[in-house]
Amino acid sequence: NAGVTQTPKFRVLKTGQSMTLLCAQDMNHEYMYWYRQDPGMGLRLIHYSVGEGTTAKGEVPDGYNVSRLKKQNFLLGLESAAPSQTSVYFCASRLSGSTDTQYFGPGTRLTVL
Amino acid sequence: AQKVTQAQTEISVVEKEDVTLDCVYETRDTTYYLFWYKQPPSGELVFLIRRNSFDEQNEISGRYSWNFQKSTSSFNFTITASQVVDSAVYFCALSEGIDTGRRALTFGSGTRLQVQP
Repeated sequence: NAGVTQTPKFRVLKTGQSMTLLCAQDMNHEYMYWYRQDPGMGLRLIHYSVGEGTTAKGEVPDGYNVSRLKKQNFLLGLESAAPSQTSVYFCASRLSGSTDTQYFGPGTRLTVL
Repeated sequence: AQKVTQAQTEISVVEKEDVTLDCVYETRDTTYYLFWYKQPPSGELVFLIRRNSFDEQNEISGRYSWNFQKSTSSFNFTITASQVVDSAVYFCALSEGIDTGRRALTFGSGTRLQVQP
């Protein structure tokens, strides 16, 4: 039981490049979330999904897209990376109807030059 | 809109001292959950505790204790006899209400705790 895993752990991009971050969970959780963490700002919600095939915008969705084709996977895409997207990205999941505890992946540190 | 305030940006203590991390929150929901997460230097987020808005009993787990006071909208975290391994950034978080659907977390900006040997 690996919990929540994220791929890759580190990545450096040039402005304008694209990439996809993969989040996978093996806990059969319905809800999945993508957050970004910036210095002094805590974590902010980018996008979320309440189930397979559904996605919705969070507080800071601009410049990102997501997909949830399989229940266990939640992908975060950057179509044209910008330096403002330099951040640490965390994926989380939780069980529907539970007490709201979200379990987080180890994070992906992304630098956009 | 919800808000979580952790006014202490950084705290430095000497090992074996007690330390309290403050958390104040704002919400219009009547049912919600409060959380504390620990982020050690390795970067992962470790779940520490969850508290239901209807349960104001204080909780103790080893050297950790939490004081939830609904009247002051506070959920403070105390580490007794701190150790170097407690050095980390600690986040307080608040869940959205049941009717929002997404039940995302609103995080405070974190408190960096440094425990000196």
